[in-house]
Parts: sequence; structure tokens; C-alpha cells
Amino acid sequence: SQQGEEDPQALSIQEGENATMNCSYKTSINNLQWYRQNSGRGLVHLILIRSNEREKHSGRLRVTLDTSKKSSSLLITASRAADTASYFCATALGSRLTFGEGTQLTVNP
Amino acid sequence: EADIYQTPRYLVIGTGKKITLECSQTMGHDKMYWYQQDPGMELHLIHYSYGVNSTEKGDLSSESTVSRIRTEHFPLTLESARPSHTSQYLCASSEIGQNQETQYFGPGTRLLVL
Repeated sequence: SQQGEEDPQALSIQEGENATMNCSYKTSINNLQWYRQNSGRGLVHLILIRSNEREKHSGRLRVTLDTSKKSSSLLITASRAADTASYFCATALGSRLTFGEGTQLTVNP
Repeated sequence: EADIYQTPRYLVIGTGKKITLECSQTMGHDKMYWYQQDPGMELHLIHYSYGVNSTEKGDLSSESTVSRIRTEHFPLTLESARPSHTSQYLCASSEIGQNQETQYFGPGTRLLVL
């Protein structure tokens, strides 16, 4: 299976609810990153968490990293319809990133 | 939005044609990347470059080739397009140094080979 597997594959919630996406990986990493992709567009970097960090916040985003379990989670609080997008985790070793399959998040107004 | 551009955004072309996908960035980044992404799927690295005259193949085997004659420009070429090349191609760049891990992506080129 791929480095950077994500679940769920798809998530549909109502505006105002929180969305949690999970990512698991297999190898050692320098850091783990989360990216967002709107339909038919390129990816936008959201947040980076280093291997020696356990939690990081950026606005409505909260990322956790558990290197013992080789897993990470992305929490989006108080979701908005504009958060509808695909979210990818990417593990970094050196300058190269390996992406997961992504979670398609739909936030219904 | 990052200062990285891809043209064309959409391309429909017949089998056997030669195509070049353009990617340019104005951020002065040394590192550039090409990814291939099928709809709803993960990104696969097909080429990367760490600077002028440096090109390497990525994790996914690809019949495409790349060149890096100028820092800001990283074109991808398919000598003879086939329907199996139909996909989205994303270009990205990153800088050397403290922020080297973050990649900045272009909007992508959607390629359809008939």
C-alpha cells in the first residue's frame, strides 16, 4: 500500500461542524505536510509539522503527529462551505514529498 | 497564490503528436518538480530538478522528458502522445534552505489524448 494513506476517502459535513482527516505512513520522515486542492487546481500548502513536534495550530487548522504510530490527523474547526476541497497529506524525506490519496471534504451550507 | 504558472491549462490532442507542457516560476526557486495525478487520486512524482542542468526521474516511470536550461523554466515534453498519457500534470517548486520542504504548485495542465 502507499506511503501516506488517508481516511476517510470522502467526508461530508454541515457548515459549522468540525472535520477530522487521518493519515498513516510507513517510513521515517523529516516532516509531514498537509495540502489542499480545489477541484481542477494545483495544491496549496496548509501546514507543516516536523517529526519532533506533536501538535501544531494555524487558524482553524490543528494538526497532530504521532511518530510511534506513524500517523497524523488534520482537524478543521467550524467548517465553512469554502473548505470544500480535497486534502492531501505528504511525507517528506529530504526535499521529496510522497503524497497520500487524499480525502474529499464536502461542507454543505 | 504562488508565482508559478503552467500552460496550457487544458490540452486535447491526437495520438502521436509531440507536446510540451510549460512551467515557469518567478520565485527564484532552485528545485522544481513534475507530478502526474489522475482524477481523485494521489500525486506521483515523475521528474524533478535541483537546479540548472540537473534533472532526475521520479518515483513513477514516465515516457516524458524534461529540461532545465533556466532556473525559472522547467518544461515537460512528450515526443509521441498516447491515450495512456491522459492525466493532470502538476508542476511545483521549492527553495533551498530553511523552507525547502514546502512546495508551491502551479494550477496544472489537464491533458486528454484521443
